[in-house]
Amino acid sequence: AQRVTQPEKLLSVFKGAPVELKCNYSYSGSPELFWYVQYSRQRLQLLLRHISRESIKGFTADLNKGETSFHLKKPFAQEEDSAMYYCALTSIQGAQKLVFGQGTRLTINP
Amino acid sequence: NAGVTQTPKFQVLKTGQSMTLQCAQDMNHNSMYWYRQDPGMGLRLIYYSASEGTTDKGEVPNGYNVSRLNKREFSLRLESAAPSQTSVYFCASQLAGGGEQFFGPGTRLTVL
Repeated sequence: AQRVTQPEKLLSVFKGAPVELKCNYSYSGSPELFWYVQYSRQRLQLLLRHISRESIKGFTADLNKGETSFHLKKPFAQEEDSAMYYCALTSIQGAQKLVFGQGTRLTINP
Repeated sequence: NAGVTQTPKFQVLKTGQSMTLQCAQDMNHNSMYWYRQDPGMGLRLIYYSASEGTTDKGEVPNGYNVSRLNKREFSLRLESAAPSQTSVYFCASQLAGGGEQFFGPGTRLTVL
């Protein structure tokens, strides 16, 4: 069965500190992994996807197939990073149904 | 472009009442989706439409029906609302072939 697990419901760090939001997945096949973000009073939007291998707003995420993980990292957190973060996966082939994790609420303290 | 729009933004229903949530996109996307968001459970797929004229069940379809009216519009209907359907509902669309899904602003539904 497809499953995405985000073990931390809440994560609080100080401005300037490193941030790591954990994501583990189970999937029998080749998934595509995403991080979506929902800022306060805004709609859910894509932050990054593993096949792009790019850094968005200073965030990066590396797909580790051996550990079935796709952790989101940023070396220096900023206050504007406070938001709800969702890890999600979909099949590379066929219908593009997203399976979401439970979400992690990240709070950056000044 | 408005992107993905949803109406209404808020709704309160009594148990047993029916209603339809509307979703439209102006990006000429082929695929459209309905999710529900509940605390501690993330977003779960209710129904989706891979292309105009097709619909399929997602993870939690019970109690819902959908209609892909045309390429732009994808509606979600609750025939007999139950308190367990209290949630925030999101519509999303995607260009065929995968990639980013674009989300609407959501509809907050309360069933009393």
